[in-house]
Amino acid sequence: EVQLVESGGGLVQPGGSLRLSCAASGFTFSGFEMNWVRQAPGKGLEWVSCISSSGSTIYYADSVRGRFTLSRDNAKNSLYLQMNSLRADDTAVYYCVRKGPSEAFDIWGQGTMLTVSS
Amino acid sequence: SYELTQPPSVSVSPGQTARITCSGDALPKKHAYWYQQKSGQAPVLVIYEDSKRPSGIPERFSGSSSGTMATLTISGAQVEDEADYYCYSTDSSGNHRVFGGGTKLTVL
Repeated sequence: EVQLVESGGGLVQPGGSLRLSCAASGFTFSGFEMNWVRQAPGKGLEWVSCISSSGSTIYYADSVRGRFTLSRDNAKNSLYLQMNSLRADDTAVYYCVRKGPSEAFDIWGQGTMLTVSS
Repeated sequence: SYELTQPPSVSVSPGQTARITCSGDALPKKHAYWYQQKSGQAPVLVIYEDSKRPSGIPERFSGSSSGTMATLTISGAQVEDEADYYCYSTDSSGNHRVFGGGTKLTVL
């Protein structure tokens, strides 16, 4: 079964750091671009970052550039999002998402919740 | 920064046709994608590359794009189609990836 499972969410104080992980299974992880998409409570979807299949190309949304770092370990079928200088407006469910052959986000994890609050 | 604009809400009666629009300056050059998100669930792809339907998505879902507007059409909307719908695309460079603000579809 093709699956993405996020972990690492939780409660963090403003200014703190956290690393999210995404474990992929059921497909050749190294062959696909991966993304993070987040959704603040009661709000819409926001694309956060993407990384090419090899890890050589990474893009960030303006809202997180300079604070978040995306990486992947193809040997471990895993995706990571290091989040620093966290702010209250980073509070959201973070989804790990595969970009499929059709260039669409075809596989989504169930999400992990990050709460930034004192 | 690049933006995609959707109406906040659309309401239809069961069996009617629902149309949800998405406007963006780069849509003449870039494909639109549509996602359905039901309450408490992860989004699901319902249309890709403007008008293609993934396997398992009912035929009543269709998409089109003309100029700076993409449209998701649900022909004969059903109560179970009630959800938030998001369009997605990129700017002309392909580097800025954006979701529309979402449209809440009510079928009642």
